[in-house]
Amino acid sequence: KNEVEQSPQNLTAQEGEFITINCSYSVGISALHWLQQHPGGGIVSLFMLSSGKKKHGRLIATINIQEKHSSLHITASHPRDSAVYICALNYGGSQGNLIFGKGTKLSVKP
Amino acid sequence: DSGVTQTPKHLITATGQRVTLRCSPRSGDLSVYWYQQSLDQGLQFLIHYYNGEERAKGNILERFSAQQFPDLHSELNLSSLELGDSALYFCASSVSSGIDTQYFGPGTRLTVL
Repeated sequence: KNEVEQSPQNLTAQEGEFITINCSYSVGISALHWLQQHPGGGIVSLFMLSSGKKKHGRLIATINIQEKHSSLHITASHPRDSAVYICALNYGGSQGNLIFGKGTKLSVKP
Repeated sequence: DSGVTQTPKHLITATGQRVTLRCSPRSGDLSVYWYQQSLDQGLQFLIHYYNGEERAKGNILERFSAQQFPDLHSELNLSSLELGDSALYFCASSVSSGIDTQYFGPGTRLTVL
């Protein structure tokens, strides 16, 4: 069983829709990261969370440490949001290296 | 642009060969992480250097080695290459050695024929 599970694996949405991507994990963590990988391959860090909620523009990330669950929400989705969204963890402790989920491929149609 | 550079962008080589991938971190970042992304395994952590010293090892094969130089750039050496080594190799940098936002380079796509 993977330590990091994402759902759904694939998601197709219409422009303007509200999108939710989920991440569940089975280990103790120090922090959780949401990353975005564009079709060209480049990876961008969106959020790093250890508790609560963070917002940046149309993106919102939440984490529930007790339930070992995080969500990434995209409001008013746009075709340029089409990418793979990856959940990644820092294990409990101080190690900086990341453990990755398999990713959620999002396609937003105009 | 993350400020992290990787060269080369693409590399095509044959089985049994040896290659070197290079990474320059963002100015001021002391940590360099190497990750491998393959179709079947996804993203996996290989190795972490901080200010010239190895800090952690992940799923790195014995055929692979890395180092971080005094100017903080890092090199990942892959030897006795096999078809299964074909993958995207990313480096990422951060300021600290611990929990921190990581800035990813554009990756090196390695194809082993």
